[in-house]
Amino acid sequence: AQKVTQAQTEISVVEKEDVTLDCVYETRDTTYYLFWYKQPPSGELVFLIRRNSFDEQNEISGRYSWNFQKSTSSFNFTITASQVVDSAVYFCALRGQGSNYQLIWGAGTKLIIKP
Amino acid sequence: ETGVTQTPRHLVMGMTNKKSLKCEQHLGHNAMYWYKQSAKKPLELMFVYNFKEQTENNSVPSRFSPECPNSSHLFLHLHTLQPEDSALYLCASSQDPSGSSYNEQFFGPGTRLTVL
Repeated sequence: AQKVTQAQTEISVVEKEDVTLDCVYETRDTTYYLFWYKQPPSGELVFLIRRNSFDEQNEISGRYSWNFQKSTSSFNFTITASQVVDSAVYFCALRGQGSNYQLIWGAGTKLIIKP
Repeated sequence: ETGVTQTPRHLVMGMTNKKSLKCEQHLGHNAMYWYKQSAKKPLELMFVYNFKEQTENNSVPSRFSPECPNSSHLFLHLHTLQPEDSALYLCASSQDPSGSSYNEQFFGPGTRLTVL
């Protein structure tokens, strides 16, 4: 069975602090893809990043960075120098190999950045 | 218009009403999806259409009826809904839903549905 766990239901930090959102996944597939999406209060899910299981290089995009570790089945997301506009619900998702194109979603982490 | 659009953004309906949600994607994608997002629950995939053909129906009650006239448009027809159907309904599209590709899904802003 495939599963995505985002253990942090809600995180609240003060602006300019760094914050890490955890994502742990379970799958027996050798090929799989991991995603992070952001859902601001407007409701639209915004795609942030995709990572495939063969690429364990960490990625940095501006203030965002992602740490993929197959050994611990984790794909954590760090926001550096957080800003109020980063306040949103963040979802981690998994897609296995084969013809099953369904995304397995985590429950989401609500991130609150206080000014 | 760009991306994925959904109308209406908000809808309040009685249990005996019939209404439809509309989704349109301007990305040239082949696949479209309906999701239900309820409070404190993971996203639930409802339906998937690939090249206008329904390829997935995740045990959704018949009071939800999807329609996909072409690859750019997707509808969700609603009738005799229950209060527990109140949720945010999200539409998404992707370029290739097959297992050979990892194409991410792009989402619309959603329709906030309230059933009284």
